[in-house]
Amino acid sequence: EVQLVETGGGLVQPGKSLKLTCATSGFTFSNAWMDWVRQSPEKQLEWVAQIKDKSNNYATYYAESVKGRFTISRDDSKSSVYLQMNSLKEEDTAIYYCTWIGDYWGQGVMVTVSS
Amino acid sequence: DIQMTQSPASLSASLGETVSIECLASEGISNDLAWYQQKSGKSPQLLIYAASRLQDGVPSRFSGSGSGTRYSLKISGMQPEDEADYFCQQSYKYPWTFGGGTKLELK
Repeated sequence: EVQLVETGGGLVQPGKSLKLTCATSGFTFSNAWMDWVRQSPEKQLEWVAQIKDKSNNYATYYAESVKGRFTISRDDSKSSVYLQMNSLKEEDTAIYYCTWIGDYWGQGVMVTVSS
Repeated sequence: DIQMTQSPASLSASLGETVSIECLASEGISNDLAWYQQKSGKSPQLLIYAASRLQDGVPSRFSGSGSGTRYSLKISGMQPEDEADYFCQQSYKYPWTFGGGTKLELK
């Protein structure tokens, strides 16, 4: 059974950092392209970032709204993908989901950026 | 970025009614389009990929069509369990982008 479990969310002040983890199981993670998608309190979905597999040189892609502030990474030995979020803004407040091929999603983790 | 304009923003349908939701891309996306359903408090679920391919396990009353810049999702016979939010997403060009969503309610 495919499982994706996000952790690391919470309340953080503007300008601070947070790192999300998505632990996976049930599929060959090392071959998987992984994405982070977020959903604002207004329910709008926004694709955030993607990391490809080793055969694609672990290429990464980002939404313009997070480029330069967020970094996606992976550890194939742990079947996990990460999202390092720096210089957080109030507009980064959202539920963050990790997803594999759009067909499998985690339960999401809430990130609230507020002073 | 490719803009995805989804319409309508909300609609209400009766049991058994056929419903259509549309997405208009700001440029051609070569059928690299997916449709998602999201029920209240749940993660999105993939319904359609490659514009018209039904994901395994999704009821056949759901169908997708379109080409170029215009795509649509059709529900042939509204059921109570179809009450949800629906989103389109293009994966033709980075950054991938979502439509604004459609809230579908049972009348």
